[in-house]
Formats: sequence, C-alpha cells, structure tokens
Amino acid sequence: DTGVSQDPRHKITKRGQNVTFRCDPISEHNRLYWYRQTLGQGPEFLTYFQNEAQLEKSRLLSDRFSAERPKGSFSTLEIQRTEQGDSAMYLCASSLDRQGWQETQYFGPGTRLLVL
Amino acid sequence: AQRVTQPEKLLSVFKGAPVELKCNYSYSGSPELFWYVQYSRQRLQLLLRHISRESIKGFTADLNKGETSFHLKKPFAQEEDSAMYYCALSRLTGGGNKLTFGTGTQLKVEL
Repeated sequence: DTGVSQDPRHKITKRGQNVTFRCDPISEHNRLYWYRQTLGQGPEFLTYFQNEAQLEKSRLLSDRFSAERPKGSFSTLEIQRTEQGDSAMYLCASSLDRQGWQETQYFGPGTRLLVL
Repeated sequence: AQRVTQPEKLLSVFKGAPVELKCNYSYSGSPELFWYVQYSRQRLQLLLRHISRESIKGFTADLNKGETSFHLKKPFAQEEDSAMYYCALSRLTGGGNKLTFGTGTQLKVEL
C-alpha cells in the first residue's frame, strides 16, 4: 500500500498520560498536514510541514501538542497530559507542492484517540 | 475568517432521483473549493475540485461566487453513492493550502 499510513489506528489512554502518533506520508510528498476530527464535525486543521519545517499552527494546537517531521519524511504528533477533550480522530494528509501542479491532499486512515 | 456551511446532516434519496448536496462558504480572498467523500470504512478522498471543472462519478459542482455556494449535484443517484460528503475550501494561491471543512452531509441512497 503506497498511501498515507498512520500508527496506531486506535489508542486508549488515561487522562494525564502522554501519547504519540506517527504518520508516514506518500513518498516524495513534501507537504504533510495534521487534522483533528471530533464526532459530528468535519476535520479541523492543526498544523502543516513543508519538508521538515513546520510552517503553520492552528490556535487549536495548545502547548500540550507538539509535532515534528525531523527528516522531512514521517511525522509525529505528541499530546502531553492528555485531557478528555482530546478524544478525537487524528488525521494526517500529505501532498506534493510543485509549481504548476494542482496540490491534492491524500489522507491517511486516522488514529482514533480515546482519553478515559 | 473562513467558514464552510453544509446545512444538511443527512440527505436521503431514492435510487435514480436527483441529488443536490448544499455547500455555502465565506472567505475573504479567492478560494479553491473541494468536495471530499468518505465511503464506509474507507479514508477521506477527494471527489472533485472547482478549478478542474470536471465530472467525477457523475457528480458536478459549480462555484457560484455571487451566492458563495458550491453545491454538489448528480442527476441520478446510485446506491454506491451512499457516503459522507464534506465540502472544503483552501486559498487558491500561496503556500500552505490548509483545508477548512464543513460538518459533512451523510447521503443515503435507498432502493
């Protein structure tokens, strides 16, 4: 499967614990996005990377959240001191940014987080 | 602020009937509009985008800047069209095309 992959697919944790999610984009895609989706809502933008540089962060991304893309390939999203309100589906998407190219974001299957 | 509104959470139609999924948006600049679809147990995927002006799986959508709408239409619904549909927008040019999504409309095509 050459699509975007995410790991784990499901995570149950207790309030106050730290969790880390991983996203592997489509190879050669230089942009990587993170979104969060809660029940009954559409995905909401969290942050995005152009290669290894994190270029934009949403106000939704509190200081408990941190994302990295150290070598411009896979990315991790860490949530520290989880709260019940963090329970959501976390989606990753990747795209190829190239001049004259219509950028299309390809989504992964998501990581469903449940904070007890 | 940019916003996408999909007024219907659920739309139920009979097979062969026309379908129209509504989408309205607010955006201060020049947006690019998309429709994404999520079939049962599958990941979110792009259905169509306004700048391509193409028909995918019989669906079309026209950007109406005067009414700030981007409604998705299909003349004859098929059972396999049952899915969750999200309207989304991003800026047309410039770096970082983050998507702003609506809340989605569940389309159910009944036999």
